[in-house]
Amino acid sequence: QVQLVQSGAEVKKPGASVKVSCKASGYTFTSYYMHWVRQAPGQGLEWMGIINPSGDSASYAQKFQGRVTMTRDTSTSTVYMELSSLRSEDTAVYYCATEGVAEYWFDPWGQGTLVTVSS
Amino acid sequence: QSALTQPASVSGSPGQSITISCTGTSSDVGGYKYVSWYQQHPGKAPKLMIYDVNNRPSGVSNRFSGSKSGNTASLTISGLQAEDEADYYCSSYTSSSTLGRVFGTGTKVTVL
Repeated sequence: QVQLVQSGAEVKKPGASVKVSCKASGYTFTSYYMHWVRQAPGQGLEWMGIINPSGDSASYAQKFQGRVTMTRDTSTSTVYMELSSLRSEDTAVYYCATEGVAEYWFDPWGQGTLVTVSS
Repeated sequence: QSALTQPASVSGSPGQSITISCTGTSSDVGGYKYVSWYQQHPGKAPKLMIYDVNNRPSGVSNRFSGSKSGNTASLTISGLQAEDEADYYCSSYTSSSTLGRVFGTGTKVTVL
């Protein structure tokens, strides 16, 4: 079955960058878009952006433009999300989630990666 | 892009029905049939419950149903059960950005 496995928790200092990975299995990697969504402690879900693994094109939410980069490695079926210039407000659980072409829903989701930004 | 508006909390007794609203604009909820709903239990990843306004994925109970009218989508849970206690989020495609998506503010469902 389709499965997304994310990298482990990270602790970063303000101003640093973090790169979270999401390894896909159980389907043709290039046939599904990948989204990144984050959730700050006690808060709601926030869409960050989408990458098309077949062409490496990405689109980001305006809030994160200039700070986020989404890339993919087709040889390992892995998508990456890098967030730079971290601040305390970026402390959150970061999720990857797939979406089929011409589909507009997130299913399944990765297990989430906690990123803590603290001095 | 502003979040879609949901009530902060909704509660009901076992066996009752509850409805969660999700209000957006003509650029998202009102303009497309691409509304989905997610259930999230504490410490867990969200789970897809409804897609394309009113479709249930395989394995999701038929106690969950969705609808839309104008700029407002709704999720109804009938025959409320203890395990339905969770946070619920709506999501929609939005034309505000390329391939953009937007989530609702989230609703805490409490089973009394």
